[in-house]
Amino acid sequence: ELKVEQNPLFLSMQEGKNYTIYCNYSTTSDRLYWYRQDPGKSLESLFVLLSNGAVKQEGRLMASLDTKARLSTLHITAAVHDLSATYFCAVDNNYGGSQGNLIFGKGTKLSVKP
Amino acid sequence: NAGVMQNPRHLVRRRGQEARLRCSPMKGHSHVYWYRQLPEEGLKFMVYLQKENIIDESGMPKERFSAEFPKEGPSILRIQQVVRGDSAAYFCASSTNYNSPLHFGNGTRLTVT
Repeated sequence: ELKVEQNPLFLSMQEGKNYTIYCNYSTTSDRLYWYRQDPGKSLESLFVLLSNGAVKQEGRLMASLDTKARLSTLHITAAVHDLSATYFCAVDNNYGGSQGNLIFGKGTKLSVKP
Repeated sequence: NAGVMQNPRHLVRRRGQEARLRCSPMKGHSHVYWYRQLPEEGLKFMVYLQKENIIDESGMPKERFSAEFPKEGPSILRIQQVVRGDSAAYFCASSTNYNSPLHFGNGTRLTVT
């Protein structure tokens, strides 16, 4: 059974600091996604990582994928309050799952304080 | 281009009633997915539909839950005889093809009293 684990689950950080969120998954998968969710809102797609060594950056967020280690990281640079949200990683459920059948981690709740 | 539209945003039902959740995909998207999110949890896949066809329902509970995506109109997730454990946020997503990320709606928050 494919499992996706994120850590930490809760992260409180000060503005201006850097930090990394980790996402481990248990079996091979074709692609990995990062989503952001604000309280009471929907999920916003941040990154889709398709291959080993893939690195994508958008503003203060950078995501990378190591398929051999089954690990993705979401790095936050010089955090600002607007980044406060819950961040989810998800992978394709290749084993018995169809397109769009994603396995989500439990999410990392990020709080950026001034 | 309007995003994925779900309604209602909030739905309160008493135990034993039926809940109907609607989802209109983004324009041009013919693939619809339903996910459920319990408090403080990630999303759990329920079902994947294309027009008039259920492609993957491996995440759907065997009883009381059904989904459809008719040729005309929105996709419907139907929960019969709701129980308290059905209280959750239900998200619909749509996509165009295998390589595109899912676009999620704002969800329907179901509360069963």
